[in-house]
Formats: sequence, structure tokens, C-alpha cells
Amino acid sequence: NAGVMQNPRHLVRRRGQEARLRCSPMKGHSHVYWYRQLPEEGLKFMVYLQKENIIDESGMPKERFSAEFPKEGPSILRIQQVVRGDSAAYFCASSPSSGDPYNEQFFGPGTRLTVL
Amino acid sequence: DAKTTQPPSMDCAEGRAANLPCNHSTISGNEYVYWYRQIHSQGPQYIIHGLKNNETNEMASLIITEDRKSSTLILPHATLRDTAVYYCIVRAMNRDDKIIFGKGTRLHILP
Repeated sequence: NAGVMQNPRHLVRRRGQEARLRCSPMKGHSHVYWYRQLPEEGLKFMVYLQKENIIDESGMPKERFSAEFPKEGPSILRIQQVVRGDSAAYFCASSPSSGDPYNEQFFGPGTRLTVL
Repeated sequence: DAKTTQPPSMDCAEGRAANLPCNHSTISGNEYVYWYRQIHSQGPQYIIHGLKNNETNEMASLIITEDRKSSTLILPHATLRDTAVYYCIVRAMNRDDKIIFGKGTRLHILP
């Protein structure tokens, strides 16, 4: 059973460009979470999605950031008009559908975004 | 904000047991204690969780005090590969919501 997959692993963008980060959850998992880790800081929650629905986006910046988890395909975290402050590691996690009482989240290897 | 308090860093000699403490004095009755770790440049890795009984798996043991206000993660025979930041997290059961990570404990395993 493959783990959570993220791509690309490293992404370099110039200021003003768009960044698209992809996350494929573990097989059978329908919940996806995105976290951001700025250099030398802890992980911060961004958004929680289920298939075709955003459940909690309380950690998402109000502008330039969006996320989706379509019925088919990976979850996408999209950052428009990137700025240097967006440089960070972005981690995706997945968990099984509701009914699992233990709520374990499985994390991917992350995408490291560098904005020049 | 995280509901846990951990020492910022600890050292442990290779081959010895690493004991990582965590305080969670405001834990609620329906909340579990979870431990994750993050090895440098990798995604967090689940280690273990527990409610009130001590738990053990192939990675570690979790000792929770009777009043549930604190716990200790034990790595019985630490190796250099156990060098990582260890996060103690309190989460409600049957909830799918986000993990709130604190600053964790940076564990250095010394050769």
C-alpha cells in the first residue's frame, strides 16, 4: 500500500508566478490535510478537505491560496502570484473516512517551494 | 494553540532509553495523547497514541499518568536514526480535524 505521495518534491518559482502542489492520499483515504512549515518553524495547519468539499480552511491565507480535492485525481494546493514569504515546506496528510476513532494522519514527504 | 508543553531539546546516548516528557494538564476526558516525530526534511511520522492505559508498539512505549495530566514517550534503545523533533499532541477521539503542532522536543542521539 503506497503512502501519501506529493509532487513535485522541489519547486522553484519566481515572484509573481503560480505554484501548484499535488497530493495523492493513501488508497482508501478520503480526507486530506495541508500543512505548511516555514524555515525553522513548526507545522501549521492550512486546510482540511474531503472529496469535493472544503471542511476547514481556517489556516489558509485569505488571498492567493486555494485548495481543492476533486472527485477524481489528487488534491491540489494552488498559490497564485507567489512571494518570497511563501517559501516553505508544504506537507499533505491523509486519513481514512469518518468512523475511524483514532484519527491517525499519514504524512507525505512534502514539497519544498522556493520563491526567487 | 497547542495544549501540550515539552522541553525544547534533549540529548540521549546511543543505545540508551530516551524518555521524552509531555505535560497536558488541561486534557479532556475524550482526548487522546498522540506522538509524532519529524526527522530532518521529512514529513511527520506517527509513533503511538493512548487514552489512559500504557501503550507499546514496535517503535515506542507511552506511559500516561493516572490523572492523565502528563505522559512520557520511551524509545527503549535509541539509535542515531531516532534524532528528530518529537511532537506530543492532544486530540479528541472520533474527530477528523486538524493536528495542532507545538514546538516539540528536539532529540539528539549522541554516538
